[in-house]
Amino acid sequence: EADIYQTPRYLVIGTGKKITLECSQTMGHDKMYWYQQDPGMELHLIHYSYGVNSTEKGDLSSESTVSRIRTEHFPLTLESARPSHTSQYLCASSFGGGANEKLFFGSGTQLSVL
Amino acid sequence: DAKTTQPTSMDCAEGRAANLPCNHSTISGNEYVYWYRQIHSQGPQYIIHGLKNNETNEMASLIITEDRKSSTLILPHATLRDTAVYYCIVRVAGNAGNMLTFGGGTRLMVKP
Repeated sequence: EADIYQTPRYLVIGTGKKITLECSQTMGHDKMYWYQQDPGMELHLIHYSYGVNSTEKGDLSSESTVSRIRTEHFPLTLESARPSHTSQYLCASSFGGGANEKLFFGSGTQLSVL
Repeated sequence: DAKTTQPTSMDCAEGRAANLPCNHSTISGNEYVYWYRQIHSQGPQYIIHGLKNNETNEMASLIITEDRKSSTLILPHATLRDTAVYYCIVRVAGNAGNMLTFGGGTRLMVKP
């Protein structure tokens, strides 16, 4: 089983608050990703990182920011949460490259902004 | 990466084989077919992948047609715990960022 952890599992917060969603993996994977998913809808890539000090925006525009100071840690931050940010946020990691590269996902953070 | 087409939903009786189809008629020669599944309220889980030969592992079998324009994921003895959304994805191995594009998938309901 993959060792990738997301906290908190659920978060309910008021508009305007700053929040950080945590994602950590103990597998030493160089690549990490953040996906956003609304209920019953597709996953959309919002951020990814190839390694320490590397971050890129994904296909879906997001007001969130990420950092990658340590290999194992890839937190996502919203400076001022809004109701439109209500969604599930999924973190994933992978290593190496080529055909055998697989993504390992965390259990997700369900964010509700009131 | 090539686009895929999957049925929106399927039912399967518990203990029977679940056959999930995927069309990828624009697949190119260096694109692989990957399958992931997402059980409710969890992150997606890798199942299997292949290029042109049929593949089998402890979770499932993957059958790819000779022209590679379609494939079928087979769960040989479906259980209630196999109820999930199944995603068929095609991508070039080693492309920039190795990012996977998840479409709508097939919602498989395994019934007692």
